[in-house]
Amino acid sequence: DAGVTQSPTHLIKTRGQQVTLRCSPKSGHDTVSWYQQALGQGPQFIFQYYEEEERQRGNFPDRFSGHQFPNYSSELNVNALLLGDSALYLCASSLGQGPSNQPQHFGDGTRLSIL
Amino acid sequence: RKEVEQDPGPFNVPEGATVAFNCTYSNSASQSFFWYRQDCRKEPKLLMSVYSSGNEDGRFTAQLNRASQYISLLIRDSKLSDSATYLCVVNDGRALTFGSGTRLQVQP
Repeated sequence: DAGVTQSPTHLIKTRGQQVTLRCSPKSGHDTVSWYQQALGQGPQFIFQYYEEEERQRGNFPDRFSGHQFPNYSSELNVNALLLGDSALYLCASSLGQGPSNQPQHFGDGTRLSIL
Repeated sequence: RKEVEQDPGPFNVPEGATVAFNCTYSNSASQSFFWYRQDCRKEPKLLMSVYSSGNEDGRFTAQLNRASQYISLLIRDSKLSDSATYLCVVNDGRALTFGSGTRLQVQP
């Protein structure tokens, strides 16, 4: 039973560039959420995708966008990278949308460094 | 005020000690509650869900007080392998909101 998988594991970019991160949810899950975790902080919610649409969004600028594909996998795109975008980007999957007592399962994350 | 606030760390305890972590949340409409564990440079992993009736999983006991908007985690008989950051997590119906985490270091 495959868990949540993310790629790449590490990435180095320079300011102003664009980046795409990828996530495949746990088998049987249809909802994907993305989080940004800065050093020493807890993960911060970016947005959630369900049925190929963005359903919820946290307090992140429009530079952060995403997509969900029919097979439930998802991409996170960040444009015009800033030094402050350096962080661990985590993908989490779950089943169904909205209020739930079901916890989310996280991938290993992509560590993004901006030079 | 942060939506989820946790005890500042780190907590340095000897093996065998009992340690308690506290957490408060600001959104009274929050619907579900969890403790996650995160090892250094790894992803968060679910430790346990938290219920008003309290729940226990081996050496770990979690408790929720909705009236006080307070969540706790008790670890008994600490092991070296318990060393990690413990994240208090609240689901407000939209997404998970994480505390900043409390680092635990169990020493031999």
